[in-house]
Amino acid sequence: DSGVTQTPKHLITATGQRVTLRCSPRSGDLSVYWYQQSLDQGLQFLIQYYNGEERAKGNILERFSAQQFPDLHSELNLSSLELGDSALYFCASSVGERGGFTDTQYFGPGTRLTVL
Amino acid sequence: DQQVKQNSPSLSVQEGRISILNCDYTNSMFDYFLWYKKYPAEGPTFLISISSIKDKNEDGRFTVFLNKSAKHLSLHIVPSQPGDSAVYFCAAASGGSYIPTFGRGTSLIVHP
Repeated sequence: DSGVTQTPKHLITATGQRVTLRCSPRSGDLSVYWYQQSLDQGLQFLIQYYNGEERAKGNILERFSAQQFPDLHSELNLSSLELGDSALYFCASSVGERGGFTDTQYFGPGTRLTVL
Repeated sequence: DQQVKQNSPSLSVQEGRISILNCDYTNSMFDYFLWYKKYPAEGPTFLISISSIKDKNEDGRFTVFLNKSAKHLSLHIVPSQPGDSAVYFCAAASGGSYIPTFGRGTSLIVHP
């Protein structure tokens, strides 16, 4: 158990809909990262928040947005969903703002999104 | 354009033998490399890393080798155990772009 929790575990929805994925980082971690893993793809970095502020942006679509709340949990909002958005969405956390480089990223178990 | 490539989608090894997982990268700015292990229904877990100032890093049964001139790294697992069966992701980062870039993963199966 990494200490990072993600809800829900599974989500099935229809095209055009909007969903919200939730992530609670490990206690004491200030950074939250969101990744997308499509079928047979590596983890694609979407966005990072550090202590409530956006810190880095990757290949995140304009239809997607995220935020980190004062209690440090984060939500990833996906709107106008398309079939191609079906994927595993991982959240990771780290103590500092350069996780993966200066400190370890801890990953949650992921949310599997299926868009029908 | 994939900057981190794991060209073998899968690898099958007998228990007790050596497992060698390979990874190539194209971005010469990468100076920190990581391996993650992922079991089904779980998130990736950090396994081992290496800085570009080294060519080898060892942690128990796991050793990572880095060949900067070839832009190639490999993960050696000796001896392999059935519990090592998982997907292994190679990732690379740099001081300027510290978010790791991941490969597509290699599925390792260790047969008893």
